[in-house]
Amino acid sequence: RKEVEQDPGPFNVPEGATVAFNCTYSNSASQSFFWYRQDCRKEPKLLMSVYSSGNEDGRFTAQLNRASQYISLLIRDSKLSDSATYLCVVIGGGGGYQKVTFGTGTKLQVIP
Amino acid sequence: EPEVTQTPSHQVTQMGQEVILRCVPISNHLYFYWYRQILGQKVEFLVSFYNNEISEKSEIFDDQFSVERPDGSNFTLKIRSTKLEDSAMYFCASPGGVRGGETQYFGPGTRLLVL
Repeated sequence: RKEVEQDPGPFNVPEGATVAFNCTYSNSASQSFFWYRQDCRKEPKLLMSVYSSGNEDGRFTAQLNRASQYISLLIRDSKLSDSATYLCVVIGGGGGYQKVTFGTGTKLQVIP
Repeated sequence: EPEVTQTPSHQVTQMGQEVILRCVPISNHLYFYWYRQILGQKVEFLVSFYNNEISEKSEIFDDQFSVERPDGSNFTLKIRSTKLEDSAMYFCASPGGVRGGETQYFGPGTRLLVL
């Protein structure tokens, strides 16, 4: 099983749609969780942190389920500018606290 | 958002040559990370650096690689005897806080092409 697994997509959705991405991780000792977005040939940029209590930032909602080792990202009212690859990032759970593992990313294309 | 800078933005080199990639992280931060991303693949952790020492490294970070802090502000990633498969985007990152494991801010990357 991959350490951090995401559906690669692509997800092609119309503007205004709601879309959800999932991510699973294999190491139950993982400690911190994040969603990043990456535009083509650019660096990853932090979108939001993920907590068990849930985290909402405008149209974006992230959720962590530690029991199922599952992270989700919900995007409401999709905009064209949301088109990007969304990366699930898991930190910790390795030999040291700082082990950082990226998922392969889920590509989102918002269509006019 | 805190700024991390990297130079050069692009580097083309011949197989077997040595390259040095440079990064200026967020000032006063003790933790520092290097990643690489082969075209079309996922971002891969290479090494984390704390207070002038390597604190964690992946299996990718073998003897071909080294990381240094030549002065108080810059970090370098040196790749000795480059191979074709070293062609990738190399990112450095600073954590948002003083301790590692927190949100990370990435530099714009150096695109390395080995011919």
